[in-house]
Amino acid sequence: ETGVTQTPRHLVMGMTNKKSLKCEQHLGHNAMYWYKQSAKKPLELMFVYNFKEQTENNSVPSRFSPECPNSSHLFLHLHTLQPEDSALYLCASSPGTGAGSYEQYFGPGTRLTVT
Amino acid sequence: QKEVEQNSGPLSVPEGAIASLNCTYSDRGSQSFFWYRQYSGKSPELIMSIYSNGDKEDGRFTAQLNKASQYVSLLIRDSQPSDSATYLCAVADGYGGATNKLIFGTGTLLAVQP
Repeated sequence: ETGVTQTPRHLVMGMTNKKSLKCEQHLGHNAMYWYKQSAKKPLELMFVYNFKEQTENNSVPSRFSPECPNSSHLFLHLHTLQPEDSALYLCASSPGTGAGSYEQYFGPGTRLTVT
Repeated sequence: QKEVEQNSGPLSVPEGAIASLNCTYSDRGSQSFFWYRQYSGKSPELIMSIYSNGDKEDGRFTAQLNKASQYVSLLIRDSQPSDSATYLCAVADGYGGATNKLIFGTGTLLAVQP
């Protein structure tokens, strides 16, 4: 595997379900990000982790719960979602330090549909 | 509120022409600038980064940065139908600090007509 991978690629869940999105980066980066992208809307930053520590929570509802066990893995735990949470969820990583520290590389995304 | 602004388009250009995409940003402290390409239904792909005033060329792409005027642009020479996508401008959040955040524009939809 190379780059940034995300699983599952597609997810349909009911409002009472609990599911998790997984992201893994194979780039040796130190920073990881979750974004939400809804139709016709710009990218919304949700969470930032640097060296496994959460450094940004962009006023995200508590029904979204991130977890970063190490610098290569990032999870987004979902529970009691609403239909308006249906969107493309993107994971990204960046070096975090040194040259090119801001250059973010995105995974393919998880297309989430909440019914 | 730090902002990055782009014309949403669509910008329509004929095949073989030069496509010019523009972006302005509000934070004078920003030092790092990026262009991403996003095909419909796909994730953003980093195509250019620029850190210094002036031009940076990579193949058919040229990024231009003018910090005094707070704008960054992307030129695509010899545009091809395969260049049709949404182009996102992203600006690093000031001097960064711990978050390494990028602020994204809403994107410009480019349509290259065969």
